[in-house]
This record gives sequence, structure tokens and C-alpha cells, in this order.
Amino acid sequence: EAEVAQSPRYKITEKSQAVAFWCDPISGHATLYWYRQILGQGPELLVQFQDESVVDDSQLPKDRFSAERLKGVDSTLKIQPAELGDSAMYLCASSLVESTGELFFGEGSRLTVL
Amino acid sequence: DQQVKQNSPSLSVQEGRISILNCDYTNSMFDYFLWYKKYPAEGPTFLISISSIKDKNEDGRFTVFLNKSAKHLSLHIVPSQPGDSAVYFCAASGSGTYKYIFGTGTRLKVLA
Repeated sequence: EAEVAQSPRYKITEKSQAVAFWCDPISGHATLYWYRQILGQGPELLVQFQDESVVDDSQLPKDRFSAERLKGVDSTLKIQPAELGDSAMYLCASSLVESTGELFFGEGSRLTVL
Repeated sequence: DQQVKQNSPSLSVQEGRISILNCDYTNSMFDYFLWYKKYPAEGPTFLISISSIKDKNEDGRFTVFLNKSAKHLSLHIVPSQPGDSAVYFCAASGSGTYKYIFGTGTRLKVLA
């Protein structure tokens, strides 16, 4: 069964350092999402791509976060510099365009900032 | 402003009984709703969806009910099984945007 791949699964870093997460969506899925989930809360949308274009990044803290999907396939989410409050699970999801809209999530990348 | 709310942080149910998880939303433009299950250290897994043109959708032990006038949906699990113990999230989107807003989740514990 096709899956959304994410790496790394776990990342521990010190504040002010740079960190990057990678996501490879299910083949053929044009829409890709990055969500952040803080413990005890629901996933919060950071950025949504349609192919290589950003559809929505209104909740992305652009002073320190950046996201790209250069060829419309895999995607990278970067944080620089990391802050203590960035500790969270970063979830990538993908979906087919013009489908039921179901999102398929990866296993997530757990970030701990010390 | 929390547009999608799950007011019960946790729920305990005996095995074999019905589990009812509730979700409320405030945005009348939402027209598509999803339920996800999440185990610790894993990504959310899709369970069931419902469009605003329906008021009920069933898939095996899972049924979702939508009350548009009350801006309320619920997920029924019958019969509940210990493997159903997880955190359940509802999510909503509007007008084909596929931009999903998630609730804060309800932790379900099914007791054997």
C-alpha cells in the first residue's frame, strides 16, 4: 500500500539551530500539506501546496519557517532558527486533486528543541 | 478562534458498547468533514467522511451523523473494541478548498 514517507522520525536540536524535514507524498498526489501538532492539540495547517505552488501559507511563521516543493513531488520544511516553542510533531499529508479530499498522513517527524 | 471543537478531551467505554464522539463547528461554509484516528507516535489514519449533502454515512462499525442546522457531527463506533483506543480527530473543509481545520481531539479508551 502506498504511503507518505517522512524523515527524520525524531530530531533533537538546540535552540537557534537549523532543522529540516522531508516528505515524499503518495505518487500522483498533487496536493501536499504540512501540519504541526503540539501535544494535546489538533493538527494545525502550516502550508498547502498544489503541485509546486503554495496554495495557503497563512499560518506559516515566515520569519523562521520555509517550505518548498520545487518539482511538485517531494517537499522540505525548514526551521531556522529553531525555538523552544517549535517542539511538536510535524505531519506531512497528501491527497489527490478532485477526489473525496481524504488526506493521507505520514508517520510524522517529532521535533524536540532544547 | 477555534472553528472546529471537540469538547470532550476523553471518553471511556466498555468493550462491546457504543462509543459516541462529538464535534461542533462554527463556520457555515464547511461542507466536507473527515474523522481520523491517531495512535501514539503515528500519523493520523482516515476513518470516514461525510459531505454536507448527506446526514449519515456508514462504514462497518463506524457511522458519522451530520446535523447541519446545529453545526454538529458525531462518530458512532458499534461495537467498541479495545483496538479502537486512540485519539480521534474531526476535520472540516469548505467549498472544495481541501484546506482542513482539525479539532483538538478526543481520547477514547475502550475497556476490556
